[in-house]
Amino acid sequence: AQKVTQAQTEISVVEKEDVTLDCVYETRDTTYYLFWYKQPPSGELVFLIRRNSFDEQNEISGRYSWNFQKSTSSFNFTITASQVVDSAVYFCALVNQAGTALIFGKGTTLSVSS
Amino acid sequence: DGGITQSPKYLFRKEGQNVTLSCEQNLNHDAMYWYRQDPGQGLRLIYYSQIVNDFQKGDIAEGYSVSREKKESFPLTVTSAQKNPTAFYLCASSISTGRETQYFGPGTRLLVL
Repeated sequence: AQKVTQAQTEISVVEKEDVTLDCVYETRDTTYYLFWYKQPPSGELVFLIRRNSFDEQNEISGRYSWNFQKSTSSFNFTITASQVVDSAVYFCALVNQAGTALIFGKGTTLSVSS
Repeated sequence: DGGITQSPKYLFRKEGQNVTLSCEQNLNHDAMYWYRQDPGQGLRLIYYSQIVNDFQKGDIAEGYSVSREKKESFPLTVTSAQKNPTAFYLCASSISTGRETQYFGPGTRLLVL
């Protein structure tokens, strides 16, 4: 069975702190795709990153970075020097076996205070 | 601007009533999806469509129906058979199904009176 686990339900940090959001996935596929989305209070999901299982290089985009480790089935997301605007719910997702839709974790609510 | 629009933003349903949620995209995407989000939960797939005039049930299709008569449009009807319809409904689209990135609309919040 395929599954995405985001064990951290809520995280609270103070501005400028670094924060890491954990994502652990389960799949029997040898080729698979992982995603991160941000859901601000407005509700719309905003795409952050797509990663395929062949590419194990870590990725950095501004203050965001992602650490993909196949050995531990994890795809963690780090925000460096967090800002209040980073406050949102963050979802990790995996493409299902049929390749037709996404399986989402339950999300991590990040609160950044000033 | 290319994107996905959903209407209305809020929708109220009376007992025994069918209601339809609108989803339109101008991204020229073939695939479209409907997800349901409950508080503190991830998104769950209701229906998806890979191409015009074709659609498939997702994990929680009972009590819902869809149509895909045009590439741009994928409306979702919440029927009276759906006993617990209160949720946030999100529509998404992608170039093709599955492995391609899905882009989401702003969502419709459905409440039962």
